Amino acid sequence: SYELTQPPSVSVSPGQTASITCSGDKLGDKSACWYQQKPGQSPVLVIYEDTKRPSGISERFSGSNSGNTATLTISGTQAMDEADYYCQAWDSSYVFGTGTKVTVL
Amino acid sequence: EVQLVESGGGLEQPGGSLRLSCAASGFSFSRYEMNWVRQAPGKGLEWVSYITNGGSTIYYADSVKGRFTISRDNAKNSLYLQMNSLRAEDTAVYYCARDSLDSSVGCDYWGQGTLVTVSS
Repeated sequence: SYELTQPPSVSVSPGQTASITCSGDKLGDKSACWYQQKPGQSPVLVIYEDTKRPSGISERFSGSNSGNTATLTISGTQAMDEADYYCQAWDSSYVFGTGTKVTVL
Repeated sequence: EVQLVESGGGLEQPGGSLRLSCAASGFSFSRYEMNWVRQAPGKGLEWVSYITNGGSTIYYADSVKGRFTISRDNAKNSLYLQMNSLRAEDTAVYYCARDSLDSSVGCDYWGQGTLVTVSS
């Protein structure tokens, strides 16, 4: 079965840039999306179709997808961005990444 | 306002059954593909099942195939998950999630979730 691998944790200083990777076989040939989930809350879609932001999502969130890796970038990271982040793709079924905890130090 | 409200969770013994419901409002339910996604305590997201807008195409995760059944009633704006032969590892918060029309991948609205606990 298809697997998406993310680093367990990423730490970033306020105002700096955080990059979260999602690795999967030929992931760049598929469409990927990203979710943010804060403690006790439901996931929120922050990036879809690799690079697009839903309405209401901060411009600080951007995405890319090429080769075997999709990347979520958070520019000018703020304390409110501290959360778990999950990538997702479709390969005969939906697959979620393993998740990354972003800590803003 | 789009709303997805899950219900039907609770405590069930191993081998038992539960039926989850998701009541949709604020959008044209019959136009959208829908999903069930679960999250075990302290763990990541796990996709469970998918159904097309008309119900003609259904997919399941291998972990629930043969035990869970997804269905929908577009006249009642409702999504269901019949869960049989429950196991301890099915313990999780279960979310219903709407597929975005703007993308081939991505759920743009999620419910608040309902907790299913499987324990003797």
